[in-house]
Amino acid sequence: EVQLVESGGGLVQPGRSLRLSCVTSGFTFEDYALSWFRQTPGKGLEWVGFIRSEAAGGAKEYAASVNGRFTISRDDSKSIAYLQMYSLKSEDSAMYYCSRVERGWYPGYWGPGTRVIVSS
Amino acid sequence: ETTVSQSPTFMSATPGDKVNISCKASQDIDDDMNWYQQKPGKAAIFIIKEATTLVPGIPPRFSGSGYGTDFTLTINNMEPEDAAYYFCLQHDNFPWTFGQGTKLEIK
Repeated sequence: EVQLVESGGGLVQPGRSLRLSCVTSGFTFEDYALSWFRQTPGKGLEWVGFIRSEAAGGAKEYAASVNGRFTISRDDSKSIAYLQMYSLKSEDSAMYYCSRVERGWYPGYWGPGTRVIVSS
Repeated sequence: ETTVSQSPTFMSATPGDKVNISCKASQDIDDDMNWYQQKPGKAAIFIIKEATTLVPGIPPRFSGSGYGTDFTLTINNMEPEDAAYYFCLQHDNFPWTFGQGTKLEIK
């Protein structure tokens, strides 16, 4: 069974950093791209970024709203993807989700999410 | 960036009803529209891909239609367990963008 589980969320002060993890199981992690999304009641769902598989070059792309502040990485030996967030702002407060990117290049399986609150 | 407008944002239905949820893209996206179901605290479930294809394991009362800019998710003979939040996603171009979501409740 394909599973993704996010962790690492919590309360963090503006300007600080936080790293989220996406622990996966049930599939060959190294064969897939992974993507991160976030969701707020006001703005809805927003794509954050993705990382391709190493076989596809490991390229990363980010939404303009996080480019330069967020970094996605992966550890194929542990089947974990990471979202490193720097210089956090209040508007980064959201539920964060990771998903497996399917062959058709869209998100398929998702995790249940981890909540990030940026507040002093 | 492709804007996706989803409607309604909230609806209430009785078991056995036929439910339609709409997503309209701001530009032609061929059939690059997916639908997902989300319940509180749970992972979103992928239900329709490429506008019309039912994802394996999803009950056949779910169906999708549309092409270009107008898309519809239909639930025939709604079941109580179908009460959830539904959202659409366009994957024709980056950034991927979402509809605002529909909260479907059971009457």
